[in-house]
Amino acid sequence: AQSVTQLGSHVSVSEGALVLLRCNYSSSVPPYLFWYVQYPNQGLQLLLKYTSAATLVKGINGFEAEFKKSETSFHLTKPSAHMSDAAEYFCAVRPMDSSYKLIFGSGTRLLVRP
Amino acid sequence: EAQVTQNPRYLITVTGKKLTVTCSQNMNHEYMSWYRQDPGLGLRQIYYSMNVEVTDKGDVPEGYKVSRKEKRNFPLILESPSPNQTSLYFCASSLSYTSTDTQYFGPGTRLTVL
Repeated sequence: AQSVTQLGSHVSVSEGALVLLRCNYSSSVPPYLFWYVQYPNQGLQLLLKYTSAATLVKGINGFEAEFKKSETSFHLTKPSAHMSDAAEYFCAVRPMDSSYKLIFGSGTRLLVRP
Repeated sequence: EAQVTQNPRYLITVTGKKLTVTCSQNMNHEYMSWYRQDPGLGLRQIYYSMNVEVTDKGDVPEGYKVSRKEKRNFPLILESPSPNQTSLYFCASSLSYTSTDTQYFGPGTRLTVL
């Protein structure tokens, strides 16, 4: 079965530092891939999605992610962290053969230190 | 404003007392879904609906019921809640169940079953 692994339940960075949140998927056929962000006491908001067009995907708030088929990865990055980026981030995949299903990773909580 | 609304936002109840969590969207979306979020597990799909009168089980459907009598509403019913259903619940909708469609999430309902 398709699965998503997010390495690191918590990631802490200093304000202004690079943000790197890791996501790996298990599938021989590349699925569609999504990153969502959840701010405290709010629902999930789409950051970006990969739909088999460009492998480097730009999202909102300066985030981007690169799809690497050889590594089955879709890591999320931001060059310079801001205090307002503190939130929980979820990677999700939608298998090609199950378009109705969205499978989420366990989430990574990003902490931004002043 | 385009949105997904859920009610109530917070609910404390006792074992065995039937409850309903409502979900409504004003975007004329065909696809709707319910998830539960538990620490360390990410979001898991409970039920989904591809259109009016069309519903199906997700990954964790036991103990839940849904109905889709109108396009905009997708209530989640717990006929006999148990403590292991204490969780944070999210409703989501998308234009269709096409793989690339973005799912829009409600603000969440935090349920505690004593």
